[in-house]
Amino acid sequence: AQRVTQPEKLLSVFKGAPVELKCNYSYSGSPELFWYVQYSRQRLQLLLRHISRESIKGFTADLNKGETSFHLKKPFAQEEDSAMYYCALGGYQKVTFGTGTKLQVIP
Amino acid sequence: DSGVTQTPKHLITATGQRVTLRCSPRSGDLSVYWYQQSLDQGLQFLIQYYNGEERAKGNILERFSAQQFPDLHSELNLSSLELGDSALYFCASSVLQGKDTQYFGPGTRLTVL
Repeated sequence: AQRVTQPEKLLSVFKGAPVELKCNYSYSGSPELFWYVQYSRQRLQLLLRHISRESIKGFTADLNKGETSFHLKKPFAQEEDSAMYYCALGGYQKVTFGTGTKLQVIP
Repeated sequence: DSGVTQTPKHLITATGQRVTLRCSPRSGDLSVYWYQQSLDQGLQFLIQYYNGEERAKGNILERFSAQQFPDLHSELNLSSLELGDSALYFCASSVLQGKDTQYFGPGTRLTVL
């Protein structure tokens, strides 16, 4: 079975504080992991994917196969980071999205 | 701009009616996905097509149906509409399927009165 778990529905942090959005997955093969971001119920956009190993807008995510996790991190939150974040797992034929975490950055 | 277009942007209709939402994928993308996003729920996967064939089904109601045409555009048909069908409907496309990045359209906001 292919499953993605985002345990937090809402994460509130102060501006300048570190951010960690949790994502755990279940997949028997070799997965492709993604983070998508949605600002104010607009279209979802790819934030990053594990294979590219990039840092986008200061966010990074490391695939930990031992813990089956792909947590999203940023050292210093900005107000413009307030958005909905979705973790997704790409398997052989299908993509599974987590339920999303709303990040609220408090000024 | 992701290159994925959806029409119409907004749709207001009455209960019991039928509507069709349209999606044009990015040029070269073979897969199309449909999602529903209600206010109180996250992203719900509805259905996926790859090169004209249905490939995966999610929580799609029997009142809903979709198809992908030879030119790769897709339509989502919603019938016997209920108040609870009011939501944002997103379409996404990818080159292949599974492990490819999905590119999302701007969505169609459906309001059922």
